[in-house]
Amino acid sequence: SQQGEEDPQALSIQEGENATMNCSYKTSINNLQWYRQNSGRGLVHLILIRSNEREKHSGRLRVTLDTSKKSSSLLITASRAADTASYFCATDAASLITQGGSEKLVFGKGTKLTVNP
Amino acid sequence: KAGVTQTPRYLIKTRGQQVTLSCSPISGHRSVSWYQQTPGQGLQFLFEYFSETQRNKGNFPGRFSGRQFSNSRSEMNVSTLELGDSALYLCASSLRTRVGREKLFFGSGTQLSVL
Repeated sequence: SQQGEEDPQALSIQEGENATMNCSYKTSINNLQWYRQNSGRGLVHLILIRSNEREKHSGRLRVTLDTSKKSSSLLITASRAADTASYFCATDAASLITQGGSEKLVFGKGTKLTVNP
Repeated sequence: KAGVTQTPRYLIKTRGQQVTLSCSPISGHRSVSWYQQTPGQGLQFLFEYFSETQRNKGNFPGRFSGRQFSNSRSEMNVSTLELGDSALYLCASSLRTRVGREKLFFGSGTQLSVL
């Protein structure tokens, strides 16, 4: 089952506007990551934020994390048509039943962002 | 450095057949994870291999299996294909295991259609 849930499911904006996507998750985490996927292609890592961090920036991206609310947001400033893609949050989820207890990365269902020129 | 390579890119099979998908990770990466992506279920974790050992497994039936070779290349196999197995299968590699703490590098995926 999904650990993270993105909101909204779809977002359509004009070029130059800011886009904000939210992610809520259910259990305690060590890290939260955001990925981007262009249609039918592989995912590309955008940013990783650790549970002891509250905010992180990378270029036009700003990610916040509120562990008390179990939520994160991704802000893309001054959006471009090339930002059109699906955006996923992903959280680590420690497995208690597999040997080695290796963590896995669990993805939400994503926000489909359309930036209109 | 070459990225994660998945082959084939597209595959069409019929129900009951079996299929093998291949993934070559980034050079030096020892962890390979597999995901199934469908419009309805999103990205679902299949399994992770590290140093030829399965380290974690998702909630999929035994028809789904995988392995990793000594050069870190990985294959996944689906036997007795069902229509619901139609999906984009994504492979991702990372330097180390404990992938929740690692940045994953994804391949472009194999689009499997089961007719």
